[in-house]
Amino acid sequence: NAGVTQTPKFQVLKTGQSMTLQCAQDMNHNSMYWYRQDPGMGLRLIYYSASEGTTDKGEVPNGYNVSRLNKREFSLRLESAAPSQTSVYFCASSEQLLIAKNIQYFGAGTRLSVL
Amino acid sequence: DQQVKQNSPSLSVQEGRISILNCDYTNSMFDYFLWYKKYPAEGPTFLISISSIKDKNEDGRFTVFLNKSAKHLSLHIVPSQPGDSAVYFCAATDTNAGKSTFGDGTTLTVKP
Repeated sequence: NAGVTQTPKFQVLKTGQSMTLQCAQDMNHNSMYWYRQDPGMGLRLIYYSASEGTTDKGEVPNGYNVSRLNKREFSLRLESAAPSQTSVYFCASSEQLLIAKNIQYFGAGTRLSVL
Repeated sequence: DQQVKQNSPSLSVQEGRISILNCDYTNSMFDYFLWYKKYPAEGPTFLISISSIKDKNEDGRFTVFLNKSAKHLSLHIVPSQPGDSAVYFCAATDTNAGKSTFGDGTTLTVKP
């Protein structure tokens, strides 16, 4: 039972490079999310997808793009990485966005350093 | 403006004693609250939740209390165990908007 799988686990980029973070869930969830966590801070929502075919901006979307490839997969792309994007990125999924008990299931995270 | 605040970055307690983690919120539209637990190098995992129509929810050693008038909730762990040492995040949800807002987390250390 894999749950939410993120790849890669670690990545080092140079300023200006691009990369895509991959996320897949096997729980048949409708909603998926991308968060970043900086040291001493909570989880800040970058983008989310309420259902297959839809994506919306979260709290900190600048510098990122997303693709909801299908129900299982939700990728996050950094087009031109900046040192300010050094962070730990978490993907999460939940059964449905607009329900009260919207429990999210998280992947193990991608640790990204931008030099 | 941070809508969900966990004012204690860290808490240290002795094994067997009670741990109390606190969380304050400002948005009166929040109607569901969750606690997540996070170990190093892992993603957060759901621990316990409470609806705004309740003031207490209990699950084994974990109890969450909600004081709506004070916009305050707390997580009690009794008795605390070394395996409870982790970062605990409070999250608040406005069901109509769907998204959850997370606090900055409290690092709990339970000493043997």
